[in-house]
Amino acid sequence: KQEVTQIPAALSVPEGENLVLNCSFTDSAIYNLQWFRQDPGKGLTSLLLIQSSQREQTSGRLNASLDKSSGRSTLYIAASQPGDSATYLCAVPSQGGSEKLVFGKGTKLTVNP
Amino acid sequence: GAGVSQTPSNKVTEKGKYVELRCDPISGHTALYWYRQSLGQGPEFLIYFQGTGAADDSGLPNDRFFAVRPEGSVSTLKIQRTERGDSAVYLCASSLVPGGNYGYTFGSGTRLTVV
Repeated sequence: KQEVTQIPAALSVPEGENLVLNCSFTDSAIYNLQWFRQDPGKGLTSLLLIQSSQREQTSGRLNASLDKSSGRSTLYIAASQPGDSATYLCAVPSQGGSEKLVFGKGTKLTVNP
Repeated sequence: GAGVSQTPSNKVTEKGKYVELRCDPISGHTALYWYRQSLGQGPEFLIYFQGTGAADDSGLPNDRFFAVRPEGSVSTLKIQRTERGDSAVYLCASSLVPGGNYGYTFGSGTRLTVV
């Protein structure tokens, strides 16, 4: 059964700091991995999708890497801003290319001005 | 519409009552998903539609839960004989096609409270 763990559960940093969020998963036979952002009381916003054949994806100040063999992904946020404050969730298919996504519990990020 | 619309945004119901939650996906999106999120947890998969048919309903917790998408657009999640444990935020998402390559667009959710 696919399980996703995110560390740390919460993180508070001063504005401008670079930071790394971690995600690990138990079944490495996945087709892709996704990172989402969730603001309080809101739905999820898709940030980055990494295919299993890729090692990383970049979007602006965000960079996500994927190491399938070790069952790990990291989300790197450069030069953090208060507007980055949110909960970040990673998700993988329950198996292979299943449409059923399994989410971690998320990392709650607070960027202090 | 521009995004995925979910109604109502909040629903309070008494234990034992029947509720319907509605999801209006982005026009043209063939894939539609329902997830449930409890406080402090990640979303938990309930059901996935491809067109009008439920392609994967393995996440529905029991037979009190049912979902339909009769015309391949709007979907309704139906919960019978609600229980306090059903209280959660119910999220709907849609995608142009299955597979996630085009990304998922999530609605803001319906917060269901069973009292």
